[in-house]
Amino acid sequence: GQQVQQSPASLVLQEGENAELQCNFSTSLNSMQWFYQRPGGSLVSLFYNPSGTKHSGRLTSTTVIKERRSSLHISSSQTTDSGTYLCALDHNYAQGLTFGLGTRVSVFP
Amino acid sequence: ETAVFQTPNYHVTQVGNEVSFNCKQTLGHDTMYWYKQDSKKLLKIMFSYNNKQLIVNETVPRRFSPQSSDKAHLNLRIKSVEPEDSAVYLCASSLGAGTGQLYFGEGSKLTVL
Repeated sequence: GQQVQQSPASLVLQEGENAELQCNFSTSLNSMQWFYQRPGGSLVSLFYNPSGTKHSGRLTSTTVIKERRSSLHISSSQTTDSGTYLCALDHNYAQGLTFGLGTRVSVFP
Repeated sequence: ETAVFQTPNYHVTQVGNEVSFNCKQTLGHDTMYWYKQDSKKLLKIMFSYNNKQLIVNETVPRRFSPQSSDKAHLNLRIKSVEPEDSAVYLCASSLGAGTGQLYFGEGSKLTVL
């Protein structure tokens, strides 16, 4: 089965609302990364977060290795946050990153 | 700011043709990768290349081959494309021998008619 499960699959927000995206994984890991993919394809690295909590502007990533989960919190969402958020885990160098299917976020004014 | 450059960004071709995608990174990273994103948007590793060591995902068909002239370049060649090769191909790089934090290019969308 899928080693990386993301939820929800999609999310609709009104501008200003907060959101919490979840990522659960079934294997041990070396690190967890979050990416943002714009409509159109390019990926932007948001967080490289092996464990603990990291902040970047309105985004917060928290990884709890023991519980095999990571979350991405978006505060005060803006229309420019619309896109797909992907989490990926690194558990084996030879296999590269294993990606989830992503959470598609749509923010409306 | 983009530091991993891919060309071309789009390519349409017919079954059986040869296709090459180029990738260059200006980050001074040691490891480069090719990923494939299929129609369901799932990203899967195809190759990683570090210090002349190539690691291949065993599920990748033999018609795919990576080509590298130096650590800043990793091109992807497809010898004879098939319809199922239609996808977005993403190049990435990272510092060091492990995966570390990855930086991706804009992607190269391949359509096979």
